[in-house]
Amino acid sequence: SQQGEEDPQALSIQEGENATMNCSYKTSINNLQWYRQNSGRGLVHLILIRSNEREKHSGRLRVTLDTSKKSSSLLITASRAADTASYFCATDAYSGAGSYQLTFGKGTKLSVIP
Amino acid sequence: DADVTQTPRNRITKTGKRIMLECSQTKGHDRMYWYRQDPGLGLRLIYYSFDVKDINKGEISDGYSVSRQAQAKFSLSLESAIPNQTALYFCATSELLAGGSGNTGELFFGEGSRLTVL
Repeated sequence: SQQGEEDPQALSIQEGENATMNCSYKTSINNLQWYRQNSGRGLVHLILIRSNEREKHSGRLRVTLDTSKKSSSLLITASRAADTASYFCATDAYSGAGSYQLTFGKGTKLSVIP
Repeated sequence: DADVTQTPRNRITKTGKRIMLECSQTKGHDRMYWYRQDPGLGLRLIYYSFDVKDINKGEISDGYSVSRQAQAKFSLSLESAIPNQTALYFCATSELLAGGSGNTGELFFGEGSRLTVL
């Protein structure tokens, strides 16, 4: 079953605007990761935030994590047409029998209009 | 060369055929994974391996099997392919993060193998 769920499913903005995507999850996590996927290509890691961290930055990306609400957000500032892609959150959580798994959400499809 | 290489990149086959998807990596990671991606469903974990002697089922392992031939190689087999196994398959590798048990680090993905079962 899906651990993380992104919201919205699709987002269309003008170049230069900020894009915010949200991720909610159900169980306690070790860390939460965001990935980007250009159409039909492999996923590329963007940022990892541990459960004891609240905010992380990487270039134009800002990720927040609220473990009390079991939610995270990804903010892309000053978006560019090249940011057009699908964005996925993935949660690293205990899956039973001493094992941890990284579980992906269904993704947010971002379109940045030039 | 890519760090994680999948072959074949595209394959069309018929129902009932045996198919093998291969993955090799040069990252030196112990952990390897096979995911399946369907439109609108995100990625779902099929199998994962934390070292050569460790193989674990994921969320959707039925109808699939895997083999970890070496640290660098992890193959996925469909013993008797069926149309609802038509999907984009991804291999990935990762390290274990320092500082905590079971803390999965960044995944490095291959470019995917697109499988169509007719």
